[in-house]
Amino acid sequence: DADVTQTPRNRITKTGKRIMLECSQTKGHDRMYWYRQDPGLGLRLIYYSFDVKDINKGEISDGYSVSRQAQAKFSLSLESAIPNQTALYFCATRGGRGTGELFFGEGSRLTVL
Amino acid sequence: SQQGEEDPQALSIQEGENATMNCSYKTSINNLQWYRQNSGRGLVHLILIRSNEREKHSGRLRVTLDTSKKSSSLLITASRAADTASYFCATALMNTGFQKLVFGTGTRLLVSP
Repeated sequence: DADVTQTPRNRITKTGKRIMLECSQTKGHDRMYWYRQDPGLGLRLIYYSFDVKDINKGEISDGYSVSRQAQAKFSLSLESAIPNQTALYFCATRGGRGTGELFFGEGSRLTVL
Repeated sequence: SQQGEEDPQALSIQEGENATMNCSYKTSINNLQWYRQNSGRGLVHLILIRSNEREKHSGRLRVTLDTSKKSSSLLITASRAADTASYFCATALMNTGFQKLVFGTGTRLLVSP
């Protein structure tokens, strides 16, 4: 089983719908991250969390919210999806003192029509 | 704007040749990391170089870091078709206590048999 699991892997939805992308990890890491990937723009940080009570905005948090339900679970929500939120979304974790490598999930491809 | 910018954006070589990718960044860092992404998949960590290191090796990978020029290079020697992927540099930003890892836009490498 993967260390970082994202669900759903693919989702097509309509403008205005609420969408939740879920991430769970078995690595025991405190730090979890949500990134968005668009062609030609690389990965951009949406939100990150150091523990259950510590949530921080990234570069592009507008239109998104997150919930850290437990150390192992970090969910990303789009309250009212719009077409320019069509992208590939990645969850990642980081252990230790937080200065090491990221471990990524396989991604959630979201299409908003 | 992106912290890291990779150059070139795309690189096409033959098997057996060496591939060199460059990364430039803007602000002080704690470390610089390189990741690989196969098409549409999650990113995989390749190598981390700390700000007080100048060169690091891992198998066929060689990474250099020049903090005075705010630049890094990734060399893949004796490339194989299986090395075909996108490669990203990522930097841990000092102004976030090095907790945020910011990615560049990536280099797409194509290795032809």
